[in-house]
Amino acid sequence: EAGVTQSPTHLIKTRGQQATLRCSPISGHTSVYWYQQALGLGLQFLLWYDEGEERNRGNFPPRFSGRQFPNYSSELNVNALELEDSALYLCASSMGQGFNQPQHFGDGTRLSIL
Amino acid sequence: KQEVTQIPAALSVPEGENLVLNCSFTDSAIYNLQWFRQDPGKGLTSLLLIQSSQREQTSGRLNASLDKSSGRSTLYIAASQPGDSATYLCAVRRFERTGRRALTFGSGTRLQVQP
Repeated sequence: EAGVTQSPTHLIKTRGQQATLRCSPISGHTSVYWYQQALGLGLQFLLWYDEGEERNRGNFPPRFSGRQFPNYSSELNVNALELEDSALYLCASSMGQGFNQPQHFGDGTRLSIL
Repeated sequence: KQEVTQIPAALSVPEGENLVLNCSFTDSAIYNLQWFRQDPGKGLTSLLLIQSSQREQTSGRLNASLDKSSGRSTLYIAASQPGDSATYLCAVRRFERTGRRALTFGSGTRLQVQP
């Protein structure tokens, strides 16, 4: 069974540009979560999608957005990039909305802002 | 607001030692607690998930316990090996009024097992 896959592995952008990160969940998983892991800040919850809808978001500005497609894959878009957006962005998936379903993570996309 | 703390921040042990990693959380109204392993520059690998109704879970050389009332969990690693070197993260899930179901993570314990 294929795990959660994320692309690209690395992404280099400059300030003010826009970045698009992609995630494919494990087959059969309908929920996709996005997290940011910035140096020194730990893992922070960004967004949660389930069945194509945004269910909730963490304490991030509106320039962080995304969507979930009918096949449950997801995109994270970051507009007007700032230096502090440099981080490892992790995607996780779980089976449905159940509280007791474990989240499975991909290897992440490392976004570097120059 | 849920806060998760992991102690120690870093740990170095010789190969073969048994060791314990600690995780504490401030709000005991959790649904479950999950332990993860993260290798440098990589994503997270789920190790163990303990439901709120459970006291412990075991997988191979790993054993995780949960004491909800005291807000603590421990991850016990038996007979440590150099391949166990990684950062270990614990995360709790609780229901919030906003409907958020994401995990709240600790800052991790960086483990180095010396051959």
